[in-house]
Amino acid sequence: DTAVSQTPKYLVTQMGNDKSIKCEQNLGHDTMYWYKQDSKKFLKIMFSYNNKELIINETVPNRFSPKSPDKAHLNLHINSLELGDSAVYFCASSIETEAFFGQGTRLTVV
Amino acid sequence: AQSVTQLGSHVSVSEGALVLLRCNYSSSVPPYLFWYVQYPNQGLQLLLKYTSAATLVKGINGFEAEFKKSETSFHLTKPSAHMSDAAEYFCAVTKGAGTALIFGKGTTLSVSS
Repeated sequence: DTAVSQTPKYLVTQMGNDKSIKCEQNLGHDTMYWYKQDSKKFLKIMFSYNNKELIINETVPNRFSPKSPDKAHLNLHINSLELGDSAVYFCASSIETEAFFGQGTRLTVV
Repeated sequence: AQSVTQLGSHVSVSEGALVLLRCNYSSSVPPYLFWYVQYPNQGLQLLLKYTSAATLVKGINGFEAEFKKSETSFHLTKPSAHMSDAAEYFCAVTKGAGTALIFGKGTTLSVSS
């Protein structure tokens, strides 16, 4: 059983489209996150949710909107995709200080 | 503000040689420090973590790291490299439970036979 699962694993789309990435964790953790890994492999926090409540919202364009229907799910919706949004997006959940990561979603905007 | 600096974006070793990946941290509060490994096209896997219980931390796959407050360092070592250790390694810091990780820029480890 996968602890943190993301779908899809690969996403290729055209500029201007709207897309969503789904994340689910079966670990019972209260806190979930979205991280972005750029082409230079630098990882940066985007959002953090604790028990469905937004905790961290880093300087991310308004086109990115997280949604947490329940504490096991944290989805990421992106409007009006731009070339610069191409990256790998990782979902994670944490208990105490230890974070568990999904396999990532490689988003390519063409 | 917290941050971590990984010295050396790329480290190359021979199989069987010592692996040393460097990480220095900056934190105004006692830090929680981590090393993660990322294999190609995969997610991040926790190698080990420092949470103030012991300064020498042992992790998976034979890796260990030593927390040195006086040097603000948390370097990762492995006595003998294996080909399967080739991957991207990230040092990270967090303030505590439920807070996000701040990552270093990563170090690519190459292992040659």
